[in-house]
Amino acid sequence: AQKITQTQPGMFVQEKEAVTLDCTYDTSDPSYGLFWYKQPSSGEMIFLIYQGSYDQQNATEGRYSLNFQKARKSANLVISASQLGDSAMYFCAMREAVASSNTGKLIFGQGTTLQVKP
Amino acid sequence: NAGVMQNPRHLVRRRGQEARLRCSPMKGHSHVYWYRQLPEEGLKFMVYLQKENIIDESGMPKERFSAEFPKEGPSILRIQQVVRGDSAAYFCASSPEQGSPTDTQYFGPGTRLTVL
Repeated sequence: AQKITQTQPGMFVQEKEAVTLDCTYDTSDPSYGLFWYKQPSSGEMIFLIYQGSYDQQNATEGRYSLNFQKARKSANLVISASQLGDSAMYFCAMREAVASSNTGKLIFGQGTTLQVKP
Repeated sequence: NAGVMQNPRHLVRRRGQEARLRCSPMKGHSHVYWYRQLPEEGLKFMVYLQKENIIDESGMPKERFSAEFPKEGPSILRIQQVVRGDSAAYFCASSPEQGSPTDTQYFGPGTRLTVL
């Protein structure tokens, strides 16, 4: 069964430093997508970055990059040059290819709370 | 270009009342997913709908919960006879297509349901 694991309940980082948020996943499907979402204290879910299982290169979006290690089934989020506004909960999620038994729903990890210190 | 709209943003109900949560997907999106987030937890899938069809309701509690996405109007998540354990944030997400894992789901701001 598909599963997402985020082992870091909370992380601290100094402003302007880089931070890595861990995510491992488990799936038997060769085709899947991995997503990271940010949930600030206001509660909305903000899409950050996507990585496809067949993508040859790691995804990047501005200060966000995804360290995708397929053999290890990990998809860590790297935030460079942290800002105070990065303080939030971060969720890793996986979506398998749509098949007769799967309708593309997202499976979420438990989340990591990131606090950026000034 | 409006994003996913949800209303109300906050809803307070007493035990035994009904809760109706509304979701309008992004323009051009015909696939709607509902998720529930209990306090201090990640989001859990509840139901997936296309216009006039429930495609996957494997995450819905068997009783008291129902969902619809009519031909016209928003998707509705309905909770009858609410109990305190229903207190949670309910998120709606939409995507344009179902067929590829690359299709990003965009989330609404959520409805925070509090049951007194």
